[in-house]
Amino acid sequence: DADVTQTPRNRITKTGKRIMLECSQTKGHDRMYWYRQDPGLGLRLIYYSFDVKDINKGEISDGYSVSRQAQAKFSLSLESAIPNQTALYFCATSAGATYEQYFGPGTRLTVT
Amino acid sequence: AQSVTQPDIHITVSEGASLELRCNYSYGATPYLFWYVQSPGQGLQLLLKYFSGDTLVQGIKGFEAEFKRSQSSFNLRKPSVHWSDAAEYFCAVALNTGGFKTIFGAGTRLFVKA
Repeated sequence: DADVTQTPRNRITKTGKRIMLECSQTKGHDRMYWYRQDPGLGLRLIYYSFDVKDINKGEISDGYSVSRQAQAKFSLSLESAIPNQTALYFCATSAGATYEQYFGPGTRLTVT
Repeated sequence: AQSVTQPDIHITVSEGASLELRCNYSYGATPYLFWYVQSPGQGLQLLLKYFSGDTLVQGIKGFEAEFKRSQSSFNLRKPSVHWSDAAEYFCAVALNTGGFKTIFGAGTRLFVKA
């Protein structure tokens, strides 16, 4: 089984809809991250969490929110989706301050 | 501002040929350095990392990278490319500034021709 899983893998939604992307990990890592990937821009950090009670904004958090339900679960929500949120979204984990990250397979989100 | 530059958007090499992917960073101190690979439809996988010590680091799948402080570079190399190496490669730096910050380059897509 994959260490970092994301659901759904693909999602098409309409402008204005609320959508939640979920991430689960079995690696036992304390740190979790959400990134979005756009062609030519690499990965940009949306939110990160160093433990269950710790949530921090990344460089592009506007329009997004997160919830760390447990050490192993970290969800990303788009309260009112807009077309420029169409992207590939990745969840990642890391252990302590090692900085090396382990990525899920990604969720491809399309907002029409 | 800190940044990571991968000058080549895409590179094409012949199978069996050598490969070098370039990465330059802008930061006042030595960051932690990484190379990740992303195969189509998959997440990123860590190839190798540099934290300190020997400036030539070995990674998985036969890749190596060399840290050159004077050039602020961390180029990825492989002596003989295989068709399965076709993927997108990302250089990343993690900054130890007391808070978390990892910056990814825009990526270099590698095409391998037979």
